[in-house]
This record gives sequence, C-alpha cells and structure tokens, in this order.
Amino acid sequence: AQSVTQLDSQVPVFEEAPVELRCNYSSSVSVYLFWYVQYPNQGLQLLLKYLSGSTLVESINGFEAEFNKSQTSFHLRKPSVHISDTAEYFCALWGAGKSTFGDGTTLTVKP
Amino acid sequence: DTGVSQDPRHKITKRGQNVTFRCDPISEHNRLYWYRQTLGQGPEFLTYFQNEAQLEKSRLLSDRFSAERPKGSFSTLEIQRTEQGDSAMYLCASSLARTGLGNEQFFGPGTRLTVL
Repeated sequence: AQSVTQLDSQVPVFEEAPVELRCNYSSSVSVYLFWYVQYPNQGLQLLLKYLSGSTLVESINGFEAEFNKSQTSFHLRKPSVHISDTAEYFCALWGAGKSTFGDGTTLTVKP
Repeated sequence: DTGVSQDPRHKITKRGQNVTFRCDPISEHNRLYWYRQTLGQGPEFLTYFQNEAQLEKSRLLSDRFSAERPKGSFSTLEIQRTEQGDSAMYLCASSLARTGLGNEQFFGPGTRLTVL
C-alpha cells in the first residue's frame, strides 16, 4: 500500500513571505513524485516532478521541492509568494501502477 | 485547444439512473486515467488504460462502475444505478508513457455529478 500525507490543510501567508507546504509519502516500491496546483475554477496542472537524479527540482514560477528519501518527504517551497500563488496544491506519487494523491493544501496569500 | 476534454461538464441525475461520461485525451497520449474527487479531498485513483487495455482498477471501484477505451483513443466511464454517494467530480487525465517522462499526467476540467 502507498499513501501521501499533506501535513497542513491550510496555509495562510502574507505576500512576499516564504512558504513551505509539507508532504510525506509511504511506499514499498520506487516512486515518482509530483506537485500539482489547482487555481480557483481551473483544472489540475503539474507544477513540478521528481523522477531521479538531483533531489532538488524547480518550477518555472519560482517553486522548488526537495526529495528526501530518508525522511520520505517532498516538501514544496517558495522564498517569496505572490497573490497569484493562491491555490490548492496537491502532492502525488506514481508507483506500483497507480497514482496516489494527498488531500491538498490550500495556500492563501494575503496582501 | 489540444488539451484533455471531458463531456458533459455537469450532470444532475436521480438516484438509480445510469450515467456515462466521456473523456478525450491529448491525441498522442497512450495512457488514460480516471479519478474521483470529493470536496476537501485529493483525487482518488479509479482506473487507467494503456492504449485499449485496462491495466489497473482500484478495489474501491464497485461493480456499478465500468470504464472502456475501445480504440485506444477516447474513454467512457459508466455508473449504473447511481447512489447519492456517487456525487463527486470525475476527473480524466492522460499521459505519454515513455522512459524518462515519469508519467506526467495532464488533467481535464472534470465532470461534476450530482445525484439527487
């Protein structure tokens, strides 16, 4: 069995502050890890992914995530958030022929 | 627009009726996935196809649910004898299964089902 746990259901933060959205996973097989974002009234979009190699992966809009095998974590970070980053963020894995998603973290950026 | 499309976007039905949803994936994608999402939860994996073969089916999927992808292109998800607990957003995604791509999935807008 595999699982994804997003440790915070809601994260409020002020504009230009740093943010970390935490994700832990469990799997008995090797997995690929993903962060998806869902902006209000839009569909899920891939933000970034870890397949292999460098444990630090980056997105085009300033987010980064670090794969930590020993702690089975894949936390998402951004050093300075914008109002437009307000969205639902989902951590997910692919392994053993199926996808497993976390329950999401709502990031609310306040002015 | 060449993204994943789903039809209908909204469906309201009465308990006990059958419903069918359609998903058109990105044309060159060989994998197609179905998920269910309820309020406050992440997408729940239901099943996926590689070309026309159904490779995995969640144990959570009851016998009332069936999915097909007859020609390896579009897919349908049918729910028979709908129950109020089936009310949810049904998401479709597609991907290109190729070494090194890591199974990046592209999602459609979803079909919102309401069972009265």
